[in-house]
Amino acid sequence: SAVISQKPSRDICQRGTSLTIQCQVDSQVTMMFWYRQQPGQSLTLIATANQGSEATYESGFVIDKFPISRPNLTFSTLTVSNMSPEDSSIYLCSVEDPAGPGGTQYFGPGTRLLVL
Amino acid sequence: GQQLNQSPQSMFIQEGEDVSMNCTSSSIFNTWLWYKQDPGEGPVLLIALYKAGELTSNGRLTAQFGITRKDSFLNISASIPSDVGIYFCAGLAGYALNFGKGTSLLVTP
Repeated sequence: SAVISQKPSRDICQRGTSLTIQCQVDSQVTMMFWYRQQPGQSLTLIATANQGSEATYESGFVIDKFPISRPNLTFSTLTVSNMSPEDSSIYLCSVEDPAGPGGTQYFGPGTRLLVL
Repeated sequence: GQQLNQSPQSMFIQEGEDVSMNCTSSSIFNTWLWYKQDPGEGPVLLIALYKAGELTSNGRLTAQFGITRKDSFLNISASIPSDVGIYFCAGLAGYALNFGKGTSLLVTP
């Protein structure tokens, strides 16, 4: 399975500011995903990030609020813009296993964000 | 996303007991995945199921992909304290994973 790292691991931010979260994979992968996990809740897909194309956002998530970059096959960033306390969550990136039958995703350790 | 119903919501058991949890959906999935999440960590993949009726084991864990493709269960045998955590089922529709709400497992020595 792929080894995935995220930076920062956690942060405390003031409302109105923005935070960029980085996701690094130890192998080249086509599909990368960004999820949000609100406190005590399950995971919700924010967007799919494929290298060389615009990210595809799920219903309820927009590019202005969560801009994503995917400059190469091992790296992606998610920015949480103009933050409010409601953005306090764990943000997780995942990758699709390139060697698997399809669909299996592996997750990074997450970025824990608290917005004051 | 599609709604997955995962039960039970929480379990409190003694070490050595067997555990069973399940997920159901109104929609068909082509892949079912089971993850475990420890506090402060990301979800870790436990078992992946790719075919209806498939029964797969990983150590003390056993999971099955339901024949109707709308459900899956996970069994843990002879639980140990390190089994503590939150277990999530996830069904794959297209490229998107739809997650259950999780089963919180507590194991007492």
